[in-house]
Amino acid sequence: EAGVVQSPRYKIIEKKQPVAFWCNPISGHNTLYWYRQNLGQGPELLIRYENEEAVDDSQLPKDRFSAERLKGVDSTLKIQPAELGDSAVYLCASSSGRLSRAYEQYFGPGTRLTVT
Amino acid sequence: GESVGLHLPTLSVQEGDNSIINCAYSNSASDYFIWYKQESGKGPQFIIDIRSNMDKRQGQRVTVLLNKTVKHLSLQIAATQPGDSAVYFCAEKCWAHFCAGGTSYGKLTFGQGTILTVHP
Repeated sequence: EAGVVQSPRYKIIEKKQPVAFWCNPISGHNTLYWYRQNLGQGPELLIRYENEEAVDDSQLPKDRFSAERLKGVDSTLKIQPAELGDSAVYLCASSSGRLSRAYEQYFGPGTRLTVT
Repeated sequence: GESVGLHLPTLSVQEGDNSIINCAYSNSASDYFIWYKQESGKGPQFIIDIRSNMDKRQGQRVTVLLNKTVKHLSLQIAATQPGDSAVYFCAEKCWAHFCAGGTSYGKLTFGQGTILTVHP
């Protein structure tokens, strides 16, 4: 079974430029998460989707970050404009339900973003 | 705010030794704890979990201990192997409908991470 797929794996952009990350969750998983992970730190949740609905976006910097999951499957996370402090690894994860236990939350390999 | 942290940022052991990685948590409302392993260039991978009504749980070569009195979590790896080299994170989750300290229901909160290096 394919795991969570993310692209691109690496992205280098100049500050003030836009950037987008794409995630394809495990087939059948209706819950999708976007995390940001700074170097040496644990992942921090940015947004959680239940199907196409964003049920927790309290940590998403809405002035420059946006996300969508239009058909309740794939998701895109966008930053516009990017700032130097946005350099991090952006992880996508999926699980089969809101009440799923941790072992059911599968992470993708992440997109490493470098803003210069 | 509430946080989950680690005492030791790095741990270096010899192959075959036992490893112990520690974690302190501060949200007394958390009722579910998890250890993750993250290798370079990969996302976190679930290792083992424990509920707050337990103080010990064993898996294959790994044991998690929970001490709610002092809010301490540890991961023990037996007969550590070079393949165990990675960053290890503890994480907490609160399943109560209202979670103290601002942790939202079901939200996974990670700690800082410990780098484990196993020397052959």
